[in-house]
Amino acid sequence: GAGVSQSPSNKVTEKGKDVELRCDPISGHTALYWYRQSLGQGLEFLIYFQGNSAPDKSGLPSDRFSAERTGGSVSTLTIQRTQQEDSAVYLCASRHRLGGGGNEQFFGPGTRLTVL
Amino acid sequence: TQLLEQSPQFLSIQEGENLTVYCNSSSVFSSLQWYRQEPGEGPVLLVTVVTGGEVKKLKRLTFQFGDARKDSSLHITAAQTGDTGLYLCAGAGGTSYGKLTFGQGTILTVHP
Repeated sequence: GAGVSQSPSNKVTEKGKDVELRCDPISGHTALYWYRQSLGQGLEFLIYFQGNSAPDKSGLPSDRFSAERTGGSVSTLTIQRTQQEDSAVYLCASRHRLGGGGNEQFFGPGTRLTVL
Repeated sequence: TQLLEQSPQFLSIQEGENLTVYCNSSSVFSSLQWYRQEPGEGPVLLVTVVTGGEVKKLKRLTFQFGDARKDSSLHITAAQTGDTGLYLCAGAGGTSYGKLTFGQGTILTVHP
């Protein structure tokens, strides 16, 4: 597709369950970012991928959060043993490696996660 | 840790009025971006400013980057109902890979 896609668009889960969120970046974009958007918190950086490696995982809130990227394309964010405070919109963005000084990132529509 | 303070958090105005949103930090950013986000969608880039003192215009929107590259503003002239949305500033700096630090956002509502 032409843009970043994410699935599912909405996910409702019970506390303690594991969830997987998927991101399909723009074809050819080597950089991929995950952010979390909560009410009153703005967008928080979670993790950055360059190709399949993640040189910056500093934003992951706890060891219940993990992410991987395969084939330099699709990325999956996994949250284990979900808690109610994990409820948020999870956004994925991609950027071309040669994006220039502007660091333009293109965002997907997000996955709204609700933990009951 | 780089922080961006965005104000105001909420703005409710009548169509035709002017408004300004501010983004301030004690940190220097290599570039600053402004995004607009509609409900149920991801942020969409409006503009990137890179040079201190830079001013960019996008129709009725004027973006300014402070001389010291620590602050920025978004000014909208003669607001329209279609301008309603969430506006976010985001700064890039401190890394070579474009990690963004976002402000808290400004929810703009323009009434007819």
